[in-house]
This record gives sequence, structure tokens and C-alpha cells, in this order.
Amino acid sequence: NAGVMQNPRHLVRRRGQEARLRCSPVKGHSHVYWYRQLPEEGLKFMVYLQKENIIDESGMPKERFSAEFPKEGPSILRIQQVVRGDSAAYFCASSPRDMNTEAFFGQGTRLTVV
Amino acid sequence: AQRVTQPEKLLSVFKGAPVELKCNYSYSGSPELFWYVQYSRQRLQLLLRHISRESIKGFTADLNKGETSFHLKKPFAQEEDSAMYYCALINAGNNRKLIWGLGTSLAVNP
Repeated sequence: NAGVMQNPRHLVRRRGQEARLRCSPVKGHSHVYWYRQLPEEGLKFMVYLQKENIIDESGMPKERFSAEFPKEGPSILRIQQVVRGDSAAYFCASSPRDMNTEAFFGQGTRLTVV
Repeated sequence: AQRVTQPEKLLSVFKGAPVELKCNYSYSGSPELFWYVQYSRQRLQLLLRHISRESIKGFTADLNKGETSFHLKKPFAQEEDSAMYYCALINAGNNRKLIWGLGTSLAVNP
């Protein structure tokens, strides 16, 4: 069991480019959560997905951000037209049920926008 | 509004000293509270939850509803306890999202 795998670990993008962050959940887990940690801030919930469904995206910025968790393959967090303020660590967690108290976290992707 | 407050960004103690990481919460209802830990270069992981009333790696945390606190304690800190500690609260409505404190960085010095 490899646990939650996130890639890349580090991602550098120029302003205006797109960033794609990948998260492969623990095998058998069908629930995925994305969190963002801005510098000097705590973890902030972004979105909660089940296979092919977005359950709760109340933490997602209304523009430029999107997330998916297809039937096959990893969950993707996509940020279009990145700005410097998007620089942060993005963490993914997965769980086998809809109570994320048992969520297992990935090591995160650190996005730097230059 | 639900909120978790960790007043200390950094806590530095010597090995063998007692340690207490503070966590206060604001929540209308019966909260479920947790402590997560992130060791250097490792992923965030659950340390303990208040409903379990367990001791993990020598750490304990008691929920004090009167003071709305869930402080994490250990009587004798070890160097390997150095890590980032996050207190979190479950939002019972709304898909049970975890609400996080800002974290406390614990440094245990030899």
C-alpha cells in the first residue's frame, strides 16, 4: 500500500500558465479531499470529491480552479492562469468513507508561481 | 462560526521537559477534535482524536468543554517529537469538513 501519492512534489509555473496537480488515493479509497496551505496560514479545505462527482467545492475559488476525480486515474486539481498568490502547498487526502477523520494525506505539491 | 485557534506558532522546549500545545475552539454543538502531526519531510498524519481517549507516543489531549480547549500534552518531550502539530475540529454539518488551526511548530532541543 503506497499511500496517497501526489505529483509533482514541486512545481514552478510562470504567471499565466496552467498548473496541474495530481493525486492518486490509497488503493480502494473513493473519496478525495484537496487542501491548500498558504504561507503563514493553516490548512484550508478546498474540495471534496468522490469518483466522478464533486461533493463539496465550497472552498474552491470561483475562478481558475477546478478539480476532478475520474472513474479511472488520479484526481486532478487544475489551476488556470496562475498568479503569484496561488503559490502554496497543496495537499490531497483520501478516505474509504465520507468521514474524513480517517483520511490519509499525501506529501503535498509545493507550487511556486514566478 | 466554527474556528480552531492555536495561539503559539512556535514552541521550543528542552528534551525531558513537559510540553503543552494549546488549542482552543469555537463551536456550537458537540465537537469532535483531533491532533495531526507532520514530521519533517513527511506527510500529515492523525496523532489522536478526543473520542478515543488514547495516548499516542506519550501524548494525551483532554477535551475541556468549559474552557473550549483541547490542549496536547506530553510529560517528557523527546527530540523526535519535533514536528508541526495541527489541531482540527470536525464540522458536524456540511459533509464533516475538518477545520484547522494554523499549527504549532514544536522544537525539542537536546
